[in-house]
Amino acid sequence: EAGVTQFPSHSVIEKGQTVTLRCDPISGHDNLYWYRRVMGKEIKFLLHFVKESKQDESGMPNNRFLAERTGGTYSTLKVQPAELEDSGVYFCASSQDLAFSRIEKLFFGSGTQLSVL
Amino acid sequence: QKEVEQDPGPLSVPEGAIVSLNCTYSNSAFQYFMWYRQYSRKGPELLMYTYSSGNKEDGRFTAQVDKSSKYISLFIRDSQPSDSATYLCAMGGSGNTPLVFGKGTRLSVIA
Repeated sequence: EAGVTQFPSHSVIEKGQTVTLRCDPISGHDNLYWYRRVMGKEIKFLLHFVKESKQDESGMPNNRFLAERTGGTYSTLKVQPAELEDSGVYFCASSQDLAFSRIEKLFFGSGTQLSVL
Repeated sequence: QKEVEQDPGPLSVPEGAIVSLNCTYSNSAFQYFMWYRQYSRKGPELLMYTYSSGNKEDGRFTAQVDKSSKYISLFIRDSQPSDSATYLCAMGGSGNTPLVFGKGTRLSVIA
C-alpha cells in the first residue's frame, strides 16, 4: 500500500513568489491534514479536510495560504506571495476515519522543505 | 506558558541503555497522549498512544501518563542504534481538536 506522498520534497523560492505544495493521501482516507514545522519550533496544525470539505482551518496563518482538496482526493497548499517566515517543513497526514477521534492513526508524508529567500 | 514542553536534547546513550523521554503539559483538557518517532528526512510515525492516565507497554517501549502531574513519559528498554531518531510527544482533547506536539527530543543510541 502506497503511503502519503508529498511533492516536491524541497522548494527554494524568492520572497514574493508563489509556491504550490501537493499531497496525495493514502487511497480511501477521508481525512487529510496539513501541518507545518518552522525551524526550532513545534509541529503545528494548519488545517483538516474531511473529503473535500474544510473541517477546521483554525491553524492557517493568514490569507496568503490557500488549501484545496479536489474531489476529496489529493490536496494542494498554495502560498502566495511567500514571505521569509513561511520557511519550514510542511507535512501532510491522512487517516481513515474519525471513529476514535484523537486516537485515529495519522499517516504522515515525508514533508516538503520550503525555503523562502 | 507553552501547552506542551519537551526537552529537545540531543540525548546520546550507549546501546542497551534504558532511555527516558518526557513531556509536561498545561492543558488539563488533554485526554489522548501519543508518542511519534521521526527518522531523518521522514515524516512522524505513531509509536504508541494512551488514553487518560496509566501505563501501556509494547515490546521494549512503555508509555506512562500521570494526569495529576501533567507529565508523560516514554521508556525504551535495551535501546538499539535503530532507535536513533527524534521522538515527539503529542496530545489532544475530546472532539476534533487538533493535536498539539512537543518540539521533539533527538535521541542517538551509540553502538
